[in-house]
Amino acid sequence: GIQVEQSPPDLILQEGANSTLRCNFSDSVNNLQWFHQNPWGQLINLFYIPSGTKQNGRLSATTVATERYSLLYISSSQTTDSGVYFCAVASRGATNKLIFGTGTLLAVQP
Amino acid sequence: DVKVTQSSRYLVKRTGEKVFLECVQDMDHENMFWYRQDPGLGLRLIYFSYDVKMKEKGDIPEGYSVSREKKERFSLILESASTNQTSMYLCASSLFNLYNEQFFGPGTRLTVL
Repeated sequence: GIQVEQSPPDLILQEGANSTLRCNFSDSVNNLQWFHQNPWGQLINLFYIPSGTKQNGRLSATTVATERYSLLYISSSQTTDSGVYFCAVASRGATNKLIFGTGTLLAVQP
Repeated sequence: DVKVTQSSRYLVKRTGEKVFLECVQDMDHENMFWYRQDPGLGLRLIYFSYDVKMKEKGDIPEGYSVSREKKERFSLILESASTNQTSMYLCASSLFNLYNEQFFGPGTRLTVL
């Protein structure tokens, strides 16, 4: 099945710093989503981005489908950005089945 | 905004009890999903449903069953809870289309003693 790898596994930032999180996947995808899991465990949708670039405030994401990777950019980080960031994909042959990466644990310090 | 709700945020049950976890979505989505999340194992799909009364097994269906009698509601049932079912359970829903963007509920943290 499709493999999803995220890097880095852990990241510590000072408030105000910028960061880039990466997601590599092993096959063509129909769906790629970025989520933020808050300290209470809820998965918050950040982006639905199987290809192209999107921006939402301080966050933006780019997926290069032909090279099988996606990047999530966080600018001017805030303590509320802390938590785990997941990338999840669904292959063209199994669009109902989201495969999650292992996540990046981000800690933003004041 | 899509809203997915789950019946409990925290639940404590005893070994052998029958446990019902309820999930409701308000966006008329056809697809609904149950995942569990464990440290070191990530999120794993238990069951999903693409229509009322329809269900398909995910990666780890053993020890679980599901029920979908109404489009907006998807229940996960632990017939006889065991300690290895202590976990975070997450429900999600999506439209039945090519894109399947999934939206998640707040999660239920289940402890089986």
